[in-house]
Amino acid sequence: DSGVTQTPKHLITATGQRVTLRCSPRSGDLSVYWYQQSLDQGLQFLIQYYNGEERAKGNILERFSAQQFPDLHSELNLSSLELGDSALYFCASGEERAGGSVGEQFFGPGTRLTVL
Amino acid sequence: GQNIDQPTEMTATEGAIVQINCTYQTSGFNGLFWYQQHAGEAPTFLSYNVLDGLEEKGRFSSFLSRSKGYSYLLLKELQMKDSASYLCAVRGYGGATNKLIFGTGTLLAVQP
Repeated sequence: DSGVTQTPKHLITATGQRVTLRCSPRSGDLSVYWYQQSLDQGLQFLIQYYNGEERAKGNILERFSAQQFPDLHSELNLSSLELGDSALYFCASGEERAGGSVGEQFFGPGTRLTVL
Repeated sequence: GQNIDQPTEMTATEGAIVQINCTYQTSGFNGLFWYQQHAGEAPTFLSYNVLDGLEEKGRFSSFLSRSKGYSYLLLKELQMKDSASYLCAVRGYGGATNKLIFGTGTLLAVQP
């Protein structure tokens, strides 16, 4: 158990719909990272939040957005869903230290999204 | 840009030793990570290298050469449960972010 929680574990929805994935980081971690993993693409970095603020963006589509709340949990919103959005979505958290983190990222169990 | 290369698949025998290579080209470098991922599960941290040389942790060791943009993960005394995907990831030094860029992973099959 990494200490990172994600809900729901599975999500099945239809094209054109909107879903929200939720993540709670490890106690004390201020950073949350979102990744998408599809069969043919490997783990792709989407976005990072640090203490409520967006810090870095990766290959995140405009249809996707995220936020981090004051209690540090984060939500990833996926809208106008397409078949190709079917994937495992992982959240990770890590500790940040002055001068830059040298610690590893801890991954949650993931949310498997299936778009029909 | 960032580019990370690993072999797609490898096969090894139980009890043997296997080396999984990773080469990378990144605009900045602030550490290299190896993760293990069983199918459908979350990646779990194995090792971290930021300086050149070998880091040993039990049956697993990881090596880094920054000048060559090269790392390897060495697994000794292979067990059936080591069958998994092994992901190489580089942390770029991008100021405020510590995001990881992952390779596509090496699927290791351990055979009896």
